[in-house]
Amino acid sequence: EVQLVESGGGLVQPGRSLRISCAASGFTFDDYAMHWVRQAPGKGLEWVSGISWNGVRVAYADSVKGRFTISRDNAKNSLYLQMNSLRPEDTGFYYCAKDHVSELDLCEKWGQGTLVSVSS
Amino acid sequence: DIVLTQSPLSLSVTPGEPASISCRSSQSLLHSNGFHYLTWYLQKPGQSPQMLIYLGSNRASGVPDRFSGSGSGTEFTLEISRVEAEDVGVYYCLQGVETPLTFGGGTKVEIK
Repeated sequence: EVQLVESGGGLVQPGRSLRISCAASGFTFDDYAMHWVRQAPGKGLEWVSGISWNGVRVAYADSVKGRFTISRDNAKNSLYLQMNSLRPEDTGFYYCAKDHVSELDLCEKWGQGTLVSVSS
Repeated sequence: DIVLTQSPLSLSVTPGEPASISCRSSQSLLHSNGFHYLTWYLQKPGQSPQMLIYLGSNRASGVPDRFSGSGSGTEFTLEISRVEAEDVGVYYCLQGVETPLTFGGGTKVEIK
């Protein structure tokens, strides 16, 4: 069974940094692309970033480009999102999601999310 | 970036009745491989989203056959043949034909 467990969320001041993680199990991690999707409180879904199976291809939403960095460690079955220069509008649940192929197509399976709150 | 527009914003349906949700794209979602990169999700209250339909019309594993997806180019539809109480939540479409991937704004489905 696919399991995706996010961690590392919390309260952080504007302008500071935070790294969130996703531990994957139940599938061959390095066969699939991975994504981060966020959801502000009471709002819709926003795709944040994606990374191909080998980390060669990465992509970002315009709203986070230059501030966030996605990475993966296939040896540890883990996905990461380094978030710098955080803003109040970055507040929300951050979901890790597994693609159905090795490149960036869609979010097949989702974790339960980790909450990031950006506030002074 | 590709913009996805969902309609209606909300829907109140009697159990057993059909429901239909539209997703319109600002650009064609037809990939060079012949597939349409449009995915449908349901986010039930208090839960993470779950995939219902992928590549426009393929039902995900474990999804009841009352859910179906259709469409091509820039116009796509999710249909529920007979709505059940467990179908309540917010439905989203997602395009994956190019990055950045983008979601529609969502359609909230309630039971009358």
